Amino acid sequence: DAGVIQSPRHEVTEMGQEVTLRCKPISGHNSLFWYRQTMMRGLELLIYFNNNVPIDDSGMPEDRFSAKMPNASFSTLKIQPSEPRDSAVYFCASSLWSSGANVLTFGAGSRLTVL
Amino acid sequence: GENVEQHPSTLSVQEGDSAVIKCTYSDSASNYFPWYKQELGKRPQLIIDIRSNVGEKKDQRIAVTLNKTAKHFSLHITETQPEDSAVYFCAAFRQAGTALIFGKGTTLSVSS
Repeated sequence: DAGVIQSPRHEVTEMGQEVTLRCKPISGHNSLFWYRQTMMRGLELLIYFNNNVPIDDSGMPEDRFSAKMPNASFSTLKIQPSEPRDSAVYFCASSLWSSGANVLTFGAGSRLTVL
Repeated sequence: GENVEQHPSTLSVQEGDSAVIKCTYSDSASNYFPWYKQELGKRPQLIIDIRSNVGEKKDQRIAVTLNKTAKHFSLHITETQPEDSAVYFCAAFRQAGTALIFGKGTTLSVSS
């Protein structure tokens, strides 16, 4: 398996533009997570899905952020409109949830810069 | 919800010394505690984890200890090497869910 695949790896955009980040989880994994990493706030959980269903989106900063998982092999995180404070590395991770453990495999991340 | 506190934020040691990173968690129902290592510009990767029915787990030069009563767990690295230099994150389950909440990270620098 190629692991968790994220695209784009780097994105530079201007304030107000729409940004779409994409993620392909590991085949067979049933949980998918979106995290945001910044120096100030560390690794923040934004949203996660179990079996393609959003379970908890309380970490999504505001209505400008939305995430979807239309099928088991694809998820998107969208920011519209983007703002400079959204600049961060966005990680997607997937796992095969089992009782008592949840080993996350992270993608390489998407580095977003909003000017 | 779950809150994970991690200390110290930075740690500098000489090659061959031991390093200890400590974390505390708030949700007494948490039962799984992993540690991730993130090298500069790379993704976080699991290095060791422990479940609540175990007090200690070792894997070569790294070990994790868990004190459920005090709600804290620690990462121990012995005989540190320059390639151990990285950011280390502890994590615990979010309350009533399957999502991991991470500590703020510890930047470990090992000088030769």
